[in-house]
Amino acid sequence: EVQLLQSGGGLVQPGGSLRLSCAASGFAFSNYAMNWVRQAPGKGLEWVSHISSSDDNTHYADSLKGRFTISRDNSKNTLYLQLNSLRADDTAVYYCAKSDWQYWGQGTLVTVSS
Amino acid sequence: EIVLTQSPATLSLSPGERATLSCRASQSVSHYLAWYQQKPGQAPRLLIYDASTRATGIPARFSGSGSGTDFTLTISSLETEDFALYYCQQRSNWPITFGPGTKVDIK
Repeated sequence: EVQLLQSGGGLVQPGGSLRLSCAASGFAFSNYAMNWVRQAPGKGLEWVSHISSSDDNTHYADSLKGRFTISRDNSKNTLYLQLNSLRADDTAVYYCAKSDWQYWGQGTLVTVSS
Repeated sequence: EIVLTQSPATLSLSPGERATLSCRASQSVSHYLAWYQQKPGQAPRLLIYDASTRATGIPARFSGSGSGTDFTLTISSLETEDFALYYCQQRSNWPITFGPGTKVDIK
């Protein structure tokens, strides 16, 4: 059974940093690209970032302006999203998703507030 | 960036009725258009990919059509569990973008 188990969300002050994790199981993680998507409270879905299976190709939403970094550790079957210089409008539920978009993590809430 | 527009914003229907949701792209996305269903507190669920292919386990009452810039998601006969939010997504060009959503609620 494919599972994507997320961790690492929480409350952070403006300007702070956070790292989200997405632990994959039930499939050959190293063979699949992965994505992060976020959803602000009461708002729609916003794609955040993509990483290729071998970590050599990444894409980001223009709005992030270099503040977020996607990475993966295929030896640990884990996807990461490093969030830096956080702002109030980064407050959202963050989801990881397998590249076929059939499987999503459960979501983790990031709240940016003083 | 490709902008997706969904209409209507809200669709009020009764169980058993047919639902027709529209998604329009600001430029051609070929057939790289997907549809998702989302319920409160849940992750999105993939319904349709490549404009018209049902994802694994999706009931046959869900169907997708279209290509280029105009796409439609049809639910042939609404079940109670189908009342939810629906989003379209394009994967033709970076950045990947989502539409603003259509809410299907009970009339």
